[in-house]
Amino acid sequence: DTGVSQNPRHKITKRGQNVTFRCDPISEHNRLYWYRQTLGQGPEFLTYFQNEAQLEKSRLLSDRFSAERPKGSFSTLEIQRTEQGDSAMYLCASSPSRLRADTQYFGPGTRLTVL
Amino acid sequence: KNEVEQSPQNLTAQEGEFITINCSYSVGISALHWLQQHPGGGIVSLFMLSSGKKKHGRLIATINIQEKHSSLHITASHPRDSAVYICAVRRETSGSRLTFGEGTQLTVNP
Repeated sequence: DTGVSQNPRHKITKRGQNVTFRCDPISEHNRLYWYRQTLGQGPEFLTYFQNEAQLEKSRLLSDRFSAERPKGSFSTLEIQRTEQGDSAMYLCASSPSRLRADTQYFGPGTRLTVL
Repeated sequence: KNEVEQSPQNLTAQEGEFITINCSYSVGISALHWLQQHPGGGIVSLFMLSSGKKKHGRLIATINIQEKHSSLHITASHPRDSAVYICAVRRETSGSRLTFGEGTQLTVNP
């Protein structure tokens, strides 16, 4: 299967712990996006990469959040000192081209529960 | 007020019914997407529109740029269509990011 993959699928952690999620985009997709979705809401944009460059960050991405895409392939999203409000589904998506109007392909998401 | 609003929030239909989900937005856009999300989280892109109308199987999506409005229609609905349908827009000024509506929960009963 060559779709977008995310690991882990589920993460339960205690408040104050650090967590890291991984996203593997579709091979050769230049753009990679991170979104967060809370229960009953639509996804919200967090950040996106064009190859290894992080081009845009949402104000939702506080200092405790950091994302990397070191070689322009997979990406990691780290949350430090987790809070209960961080509990959400974290979605990754990738898109194939430099065109603005392109389809984004979503991964299955990582569900984070902070106790 | 959200930049992207969907109606209805919840929709229950009987198998075979024609379904319409509406999306209104308040910003200039370069494209509008309709997405489908099943329980468990996976999101599938159904359509990307910048004008007019697109059809894929039993699904039809339309957009009216002047009125800032789009509709998703499902003909001959089936229980397997039960999912959350999400409208998302790419703003003219926001680069590549998508801004999402809150979604419409569709339940189709047999």
